[in-house]
Amino acid sequence: NAGVTQTPKFQVLKTGQSMTLQCAQDMNHNSMYWYRQDPGMGLRLIYYSASEGTTDKGEVPNGYNVSRLNKREFSLRLESAAPSQTSVYFCASSGSWTGVYEQFFGPGTRLTVL
Amino acid sequence: DAKTTQPNSMESNEEEPVHLPCNHSTISGTDYIHWYRQLPSQGPEYVIHGLTSNVNNRMASLAIAEDRKSSTLILHRATLRDAAVYYCILRDVGGQNFVFGPGTRLSVLP
Repeated sequence: NAGVTQTPKFQVLKTGQSMTLQCAQDMNHNSMYWYRQDPGMGLRLIYYSASEGTTDKGEVPNGYNVSRLNKREFSLRLESAAPSQTSVYFCASSGSWTGVYEQFFGPGTRLTVL
Repeated sequence: DAKTTQPNSMESNEEEPVHLPCNHSTISGTDYIHWYRQLPSQGPEYVIHGLTSNVNNRMASLAIAEDRKSSTLILHRATLRDAAVYYCILRDVGGQNFVFGPGTRLSVLP
């Protein structure tokens, strides 16, 4: 069981470039999430997918788009990267989006936008 | 959204118990209390969660006050590997509130 995997681990972009962060889970979880963590801060939710076929905005969705490709995979796309998007991005999954279930996190993608 | 308050930092000696407090005075009846920790340069890791009763698992114990306005994460015997940032968050049974505050940075001294 790999749990939650994320690719790439590191990425450097120039302002205006686009990229997609990939996330996959092998725990048959219904819900998946994307968070960002800025230095010295807690995590902030960008988007989540309560179940396959649905996505919803979190606290900080501006500048991002997501796709729930299937039950296993949830991608995060930056269409035109900005320096303010320099952060560590974490993907997570859980049995359901309710508070009954715990979340499992991936190792993160460290993104720098120049 | 109900919020939590935690001390910024705490210290413990290795092999001693650690009690990490969390205040959540505006908790609602449908909020679960979740604890996660984040080791340096890693993603957050689930520790424990509960609703009303105290909970134990292989990693820790969660003690919930009778009025649910506060809770305490108990690490029974701290090891150097337990040095991390510990986050206490409230997750509604209806799925709201994914906010992680700054947490408590735990240092474990050898």
